[in-house]
Amino acid sequence: GAGVSQSPSNKVTEKGKDVELRCDPISGHTALYWYRQSLGQGLEFLIYFQGNSAPDKSGLPSDRFSAERTGGSVSTLTIQRTQQEDSAVYLCASSPRSFGVWTEAFFGQGTRLTVV
Amino acid sequence: AQSVTQLDSHVSVSEGTPVLLRCNYSSSYSPSLFWYVQHPNKGLQLLLKYTSAATLVKGINGFEAEFKKSETSFHLTKPSAHMSDAAEYFCVVSFSSGSARQLTFGSGTQLTVLP
Repeated sequence: GAGVSQSPSNKVTEKGKDVELRCDPISGHTALYWYRQSLGQGLEFLIYFQGNSAPDKSGLPSDRFSAERTGGSVSTLTIQRTQQEDSAVYLCASSPRSFGVWTEAFFGQGTRLTVV
Repeated sequence: AQSVTQLDSHVSVSEGTPVLLRCNYSSSYSPSLFWYVQHPNKGLQLLLKYTSAATLVKGINGFEAEFKKSETSFHLTKPSAHMSDAAEYFCVVSFSSGSARQLTFGSGTQLTVLP
């Protein structure tokens, strides 16, 4: 597709269950970001992938959160043993390059996660 | 380290009047600066970007922003607000370096446009 695609768009899960959120970046974009946006809050950085470099995981809030990016393209964010405080919109973005000054990120529509 | 401060969490204007959304940044490096807009239940859309080519940057939907290095500001303006401008606006700073975390978001400004 032409833009960043995220699936599912909405996910309701029971507390304690695991969830997987998927992101398909724009083809050719080497950088991929995950952010979390809680109700009424700004964007919280979670994790960043750049090409084949080791990801920057410094924003992951706990070890229940993990992410991978296969083949430098699709990324999956996994939340294990979900808690109610995990409820938020999870946004994925991709960028054509990371170390250039003119980098802008293109965002997907987000996955709205509700933990009940 | 870099940071972004959006000085107003909420701004309310009447339709047809000017819009000013304020953003101040700090960065140890020459920054790139962006404004994104998020309409309700929509994704983030790039409004405009500053990349050191020109200090006055024009974006979509009549918005523009001026980079003022001496004031470390990148305020967003529009001469005449339209109802469709009602949304949340985020100021973002990025810089060119080896650091992996490239984008720092402000906390957002909710713009309300009154009829």
